[in-house]
Amino acid sequence: SYELTQPPSVSVSPGQTASITCSGDELGDRYACWYQQKPGQSPVLVIYEHSKRPSGIPERFSGSNSGNTATLTISGTQAMDEADYYCQAWDSSTARVVFGGGTKLTVL
Amino acid sequence: QVQLQESGPGLVKPSQTLSLTCSVSGGSISSDNYFWSWIRQPAGKGLEWIGRIYTSGSTNYNPSLKSRVTISLDTSKNQFSLKLSSVTAADTAVYYCARDSDSGSYPYWGQGTLVTVSS
Repeated sequence: SYELTQPPSVSVSPGQTASITCSGDELGDRYACWYQQKPGQSPVLVIYEHSKRPSGIPERFSGSNSGNTATLTISGTQAMDEADYYCQAWDSSTARVVFGGGTKLTVL
Repeated sequence: QVQLQESGPGLVKPSQTLSLTCSVSGGSISSDNYFWSWIRQPAGKGLEWIGRIYTSGSTNYNPSLKSRVTISLDTSKNQFSLKLSSVTAADTAVYYCARDSDSGSYPYWGQGTLVTVSS
């Protein structure tokens, strides 16, 4: 079955750039999106259609998708960006939505 | 602005059926051409997609849960529902309802409701 693989954790210093990857077969041919989830809260969509930002999402969040890897990049990372991040795509072979396992971003 | 709100029992006994409802405001499940979905998250773990239903009533389910899941629409109440049968402790999780977008992402989520399976 289709799987999306993320690193369990990523650390970044405040003000630096954080990159979180999501790998899956032919992911570049699918619409990938990203969610931010803080403790006790519902996920928030931060990137959709590979690289588009919903209204209200800061410009420091950006996305790219090529080949088998989608990447969420947070430029000038702030303490408030510390959260879990999940990628998501559609698997047409099984007609189901697939989430990556999630990446815990630590800002220290 | 679309808003979703889950409701249902917070405690279900093993082997019984979990039933949840998602109430939708700011949108219509009978005329908005989108998928209405259920997603769950066990404590400390990642998101798991359960399934979805389209405005027309057509459904897609996660193959790992398909034999136990039913998602349905109640257009008179602008609600959609989840039924998960033969539950075990492994079904204990926060359950979210959500609405997708044209690209398949989920810009709209409910606040989530914790369902515990225990005797």
